[in-house]
Amino acid sequence: KAGVTQTPRYLIKTRGQQVTLSCSPISGHRSVSWYQQTPGQGLQFLFEYFSETQRNKGNFPGRFSGRQFSNSRSEMNVSTLELGDSALYLCASTTSGSSDEQFFGPGTRLTVL
Amino acid sequence: GQQLNQSPQSMFIQEGEDVSMNCTSSSIFNTWLWYKQEPGEGPVLLIALYKAGELTSNGRLTAQFGITRKDSFLNISASIPSDVGIYFCAGLGWGGNEKLTFGTGTRLTIIP
Repeated sequence: KAGVTQTPRYLIKTRGQQVTLSCSPISGHRSVSWYQQTPGQGLQFLFEYFSETQRNKGNFPGRFSGRQFSNSRSEMNVSTLELGDSALYLCASTTSGSSDEQFFGPGTRLTVL
Repeated sequence: GQQLNQSPQSMFIQEGEDVSMNCTSSSIFNTWLWYKQEPGEGPVLLIALYKAGELTSNGRLTAQFGITRKDSFLNISASIPSDVGIYFCAGLGWGGNEKLTFGTGTRLTIIP
């Protein structure tokens, strides 16, 4: 069974640009959660999607948004990038939507210049 | 955002030694999870704990769910070089829509 996949693995953008990251969950998993990981703040929850609906949201500005498609694949978008958005963005999937036993992808390393 | 207090922040040990790390929270959690993250990869689930007082092992790893529901510890026995990485605890509250709250991480380095 394939694991969680994230694309791209690495991305370099400049301030003011926008970016879209993609996550494909494990087959059969319907819930996808997104996290931002930085050295200073650790792993911070962004949002969770289940059956194409956002079920939970962390404390991030509206520049961070996401969506989930009918095949459970998810995308997150960050608009008007700031230097502080440089981070490893991780997505995790789970079967039913409860957050236990989340399986993480390898992450997308975003660098904002 | 909220984080769990995890200690120690880093550990330098010799191969073969035992390792102990813990996580504490001001909030009660329903589930405790322990993850390991290696460079360039996402966290990998090591152990999941679902009941207060529960003690669970996974090979050389042993974790316990504190009786107060506000803490958990992870022990690694007889460490080996591949144990190197960052270990994170994570807590989950009640309700189907609760999100995971992660600890600050413990970086484990093994001295040859």
